[in-house]
Amino acid sequence: QKEVEQNSGPLSVPEGAIASLNCTYSDRVSQSFFWYRQYSGKSPELIMSIYSNGDKEDGRFTAQLNKASQYVSLLIRDSQPSDSATYLCAVTSNQAGTALIFGKGTTLSVSS
Amino acid sequence: KAGVTQTPRYLIKTRGQQVTLSCSPISGHRSVSWYQQTPGQGLQFLFEYFSETQRNKGNFPGRFSGRQFSNSRSEMNVSTLELGDSALYLCASSYRQDPYEQYFGPGTRLTVT
Repeated sequence: QKEVEQNSGPLSVPEGAIASLNCTYSDRVSQSFFWYRQYSGKSPELIMSIYSNGDKEDGRFTAQLNKASQYVSLLIRDSQPSDSATYLCAVTSNQAGTALIFGKGTTLSVSS
Repeated sequence: KAGVTQTPRYLIKTRGQQVTLSCSPISGHRSVSWYQQTPGQGLQFLFEYFSETQRNKGNFPGRFSGRQFSNSRSEMNVSTLELGDSALYLCASSYRQDPYEQYFGPGTRLTVT
């Protein structure tokens, strides 16, 4: 059974702080990793993708991947109240990359 | 570029009925994947269609089916609805090649009474 694990939270951080979200996965052959943001009542929005070990930065977001440890994380710098949402970690389960396995998500709350 | 569209956005059905949901992918995307989202189980993969053929299937009963048309639009059907089928049904489209990124539509909220 392929699994993706995330702490459900809530993770509470003050405005301007760094939020750190973590995810572990069980399938060693997974090749592609994604972070989605989902606001309450909305659909998931892709915010980061990462395919190789190391860090990938995009604006205030940094994704980190460690395939040996089967671990992927998302850092949000200078957190804003608008970042308050559920963050979903997703991992591909097939070579075509079209069947994603999702974690249950971590709820982030940024207080002003 | 227009995003993924899904219709209808909300639907209320009765147990035993069937329902058909529609998804139009982003222009140029030929792969459509369907997911079910519930509070208890989270987001779960249903199936994927590419070039009018089902390419992958998740662990759902045969009551869940789908199809894809030559213009890449896709429909999913759920027959003999059960209360547990109440969920947000999401479709996602992609190029089905590197970088394998999938983009979600707004979803269809199905309530079974």
